[in-house]
Amino acid sequence: RKEVEQDPGPFNVPEGATVAFNCTYSNSASQSFFWYRQDCRKEPKLLMSVYSSGNEDGRFTAQLNRASQYISLLIRDSKLSDSATYLCVVAAASAGKSTFGDGTTLTVKP
Amino acid sequence: DAGVTQSPTHLIKTRGQHVTLRCSPISGHKSVSWYQQVLGQGPQFIFQYYEKEERGRGNFPDRFSARQFPNYSSELNVNALLLGDSALYLCASSLVPATDYGYTFGSGTRLTVV
Repeated sequence: RKEVEQDPGPFNVPEGATVAFNCTYSNSASQSFFWYRQDCRKEPKLLMSVYSSGNEDGRFTAQLNRASQYISLLIRDSKLSDSATYLCVVAAASAGKSTFGDGTTLTVKP
Repeated sequence: DAGVTQSPTHLIKTRGQHVTLRCSPISGHKSVSWYQQVLGQGPQFIFQYYEKEERGRGNFPDRFSARQFPNYSSELNVNALLLGDSALYLCASSLVPATDYGYTFGSGTRLTVV
C-alpha cells in the first residue's frame, strides 16, 4: 500500500464547476500536509498548506481529518487555467521527508 | 532573488555511466531535498540534507548518493546508470527541513539513459 494515495482521475469538468479531490495517508505520525500543483512537464508548485481547522485561499479550500487520515481539496468555479495535476503531500519530521501522492489530473473544459 | 537553480536541464547518458546533478537553493535556504519523478507518478523522495548533514534517505539503491556543500548547494550522484533511472530529477529548497513550510522546486534535470 502506498503511503499517500490519490484518485488519479482524470477529472474532466466544465468551466464553473466545483470539483473535489481526496487523499489518504498511512503514517499517523505525519505532521504537515500540503497540496501542490504541477503543470505538464513542469516542476510542482506549492498551492496551499492544509490545517486541521480547514483553510481557504480564494476558490480553493483544503481540509484535513487526522482521525481518518484524510485530506481534501475543493476547487470552486473552475477556470481553464486550473487544468493541471494536483499532488497531495504529507510530511513527517521523524522520517526526514515529505511524501507525494501520484497526483490527480484535472482538465477544465470550455 | 534567484529561485532554485538546477543544472543541467537535460542530459543523455549511456547505461553504466555515472551522472552528477547540481542544485543551488534559494538564498538563505539551508535544506535541500532530491526527488525522482517518472512519467505518470508523483515525485519519489531520494535524500534530504540540512546544514550539510543527511536528514533522510528514501528507498533508492546505494548507486544514488548526494552531498551538501558549505554554501548549501547540493549534488546528486548516480553510478552505474540503468535504463530505469530515466526520469525528471527535482531539487527542492526550504529554510529548514520542510515539515511545516513546504518546498520550492527547481525546474529539474531531465535524465535520459539509453
